[in-house]
Amino acid sequence: QVQLTESGPGLVHPSETLSLTCTVSGFSLTGYSVYWVRQPSGKGLEWMGRMRYNGDTSYNSALKSRLSISRDTSKNQVFLKMNSLQTDDTGTYYCTRRAYGSPFDYWGQGVMVTVSS
Amino acid sequence: NTVMTQSPTSMFTSVGDRVTMSCKASQNVGINVGWYQQKTGQSPKRLIYWASNRDTGVPDRFTGSGSGTDFTLTISNMQAEDPAIYYCLQHNSYPTFGGGTKLELK
Repeated sequence: QVQLTESGPGLVHPSETLSLTCTVSGFSLTGYSVYWVRQPSGKGLEWMGRMRYNGDTSYNSALKSRLSISRDTSKNQVFLKMNSLQTDDTGTYYCTRRAYGSPFDYWGQGVMVTVSS
Repeated sequence: NTVMTQSPTSMFTSVGDRVTMSCKASQNVGINVGWYQQKTGQSPKRLIYWASNRDTGVPDRFTGSGSGTDFTLTISNMQAEDPAIYYCLQHNSYPTFGGGTKLELK
């Protein structure tokens, strides 16, 4: 059974670093790419970056200077770190998987992050 | 970046109506498009992939069509459980989402 589960702090202070974890089950990180997508409160969806099945990473150019994605295949986890958080980074953060034949089929339940002092 | 423009941004419908929403890509994306349904407080749920393939378990009243730059999601017989925000997503290049169509019941 495929599952993706995001976890992380619910509250981050302005200028601090956000650290999120996507823990997956039911598939291998060496066979699927994992993407991070965020949704500012009441707004639409924005791709942030990806960890490819082969370990390569790519980032949304708008976030690239602040964003880092890594993984631990032995723990079935993908990590997101984003620094210099501001209030407009408040929203829900999702991870989703992509395979060639079935792009973005499963999504995590999301983790709500509030940036506030 | 490929911009995906959805229309309308919102619409009111009645149970039993035929509903059509559009997604236009700023450049050719082939059939690399999916449609997602998002209900309040939930994560996006994929309904359609590769522009016209319905996901397992998705009612056949949902139909996707199009290729290139113009895509359509049709709900043939609106049901009470269908109000949601619907998003298109292109993945021909780095993924980009449309702004969403909010579907509500009158």
